[in-house]
Amino acid sequence: KAGVTQTPRYLIKTRGQQVTLSCSPISGHRSVSWYQQTPGQGLQFLFEYFSETQRNKGNFPGRFSGRQFSNSRSEMNVSTLELGDSALYLCASTDSLMNTEAFFGQGTRLTVV
Amino acid sequence: QKEVEQNSGPLSVPEGAIASLNCTYSDRGSQSFFWYRQYSGKSPELIMSIYSNGDKEDGRFTAQLNKASQYVSLLIRDSQPSDSATYLCAPGGTGRRALTFGSGTRLQVQP
Repeated sequence: KAGVTQTPRYLIKTRGQQVTLSCSPISGHRSVSWYQQTPGQGLQFLFEYFSETQRNKGNFPGRFSGRQFSNSRSEMNVSTLELGDSALYLCASTDSLMNTEAFFGQGTRLTVV
Repeated sequence: QKEVEQNSGPLSVPEGAIASLNCTYSDRGSQSFFWYRQYSGKSPELIMSIYSNGDKEDGRFTAQLNKASQYVSLLIRDSQPSDSATYLCAPGGTGRRALTFGSGTRLQVQP
């Protein structure tokens, strides 16, 4: 069974640009969550999707947005990039919203210059 | 109060010793708990799940859960240098709240 796939693995963008990251969950999993991890910081929750609906949202500005498609694949978008957006972006896949194990992709490392 | 609290460490133990990692959480509605291991520059890897009060053993790892005290721990027996990593505690999602992580405890196993 294939794991969680995130693309691209690495990305360098310029301040002010926008970026789209992609996450394909484990086959059969319907929930995708996104997290941001910066050096010295824990995993900060961005948003959680289940069956194409955003179910929970973290405390991030509106520049961060996401969506989920009917095949459960998810994308997140960051507009008007800032230097502080440089981070490892991780997505996690679960088969439901409650009390189930989550599996992570390898992450996308975004560098904003 | 943070949702999940962990001592950031580093926790340094000699090879072969028992490493004890602790975590407290605030959401009394949490029914499931997970421990993840994260090597530097890598993504978190699930190593233990626990759903009931008491102990759960898997190889060298034992997770302990006390819902009344809102406390969960991870014991690593016969610690190896390859266990050196950051360990993240995470109460499971509840529908109202997504899987939530502590800031992690950095473990260093000295050869």
